[in-house]
Amino acid sequence: GAGVSQSPRYKVTKRGQDVALRCDPISGHVSLYWYRQALGQGPEFLTYFNYEAQQDKSGLPNDRFSAERPEGSISTLTIQRTEQRDSAMYRCASSLGQAGELFFGEGSRLTVL
Amino acid sequence: QQQVKQSPQSLIVQKGGISIINCAYENTAFDYFPWYQQFPGKGPALLIAIRPDVSEKKEGRFTISFNKSAKQFSLHIMDSQPGDSATYFCAAINSGNTPLVFGKGTRLSVIA
Repeated sequence: GAGVSQSPRYKVTKRGQDVALRCDPISGHVSLYWYRQALGQGPEFLTYFNYEAQQDKSGLPNDRFSAERPEGSISTLTIQRTEQRDSAMYRCASSLGQAGELFFGEGSRLTVL
Repeated sequence: QQQVKQSPQSLIVQKGGISIINCAYENTAFDYFPWYQQFPGKGPALLIAIRPDVSEKKEGRFTISFNKSAKQFSLHIMDSQPGDSATYFCAAINSGNTPLVFGKGTRLSVIA
């Protein structure tokens, strides 16, 4: 597709369940980023990949959060044993190479009941 | 600790007026300063960016002013239009070393 595609767009889950959020970056983009955005706030960095290698995961809140990009294209952000505080918009972005020039998807809104 | 501090939180400007949003940073290793524009229900989109070796960059009605000694940069929107109503985020990065960090955003409303 022309832009960054994320799925699902909306996810409602019960506390304690695992969720997987998917990101399909712009074709050819080397770098892929995951951010979390609370309502009325700026995006908060979680992790990023260059090709399939996870370069920085310092923003992941705890070990319930993990991400992978096994073939250097599509990425999955997994949250295990979800908690209500995990409720947020999760945004994926990709970049051709210039760090700081990110193309964001429309996000996956996660609600944990 | 907020690495990029943005103000004001919200801004109302008359159509045709100048909108000014300010950001301050602490990390002198930052080497790229983009501004992102976000419309409701959409992801942020890159609007304009500057490197610290220049003091100003202009693209159409949008201008970034950069003050390296004060560690501040600002976005000016000239002849503001209702279609400019959106949330604006300043950001900063130390390319290759740190991820892109964002300010908390400024919600701009341009009224006719």
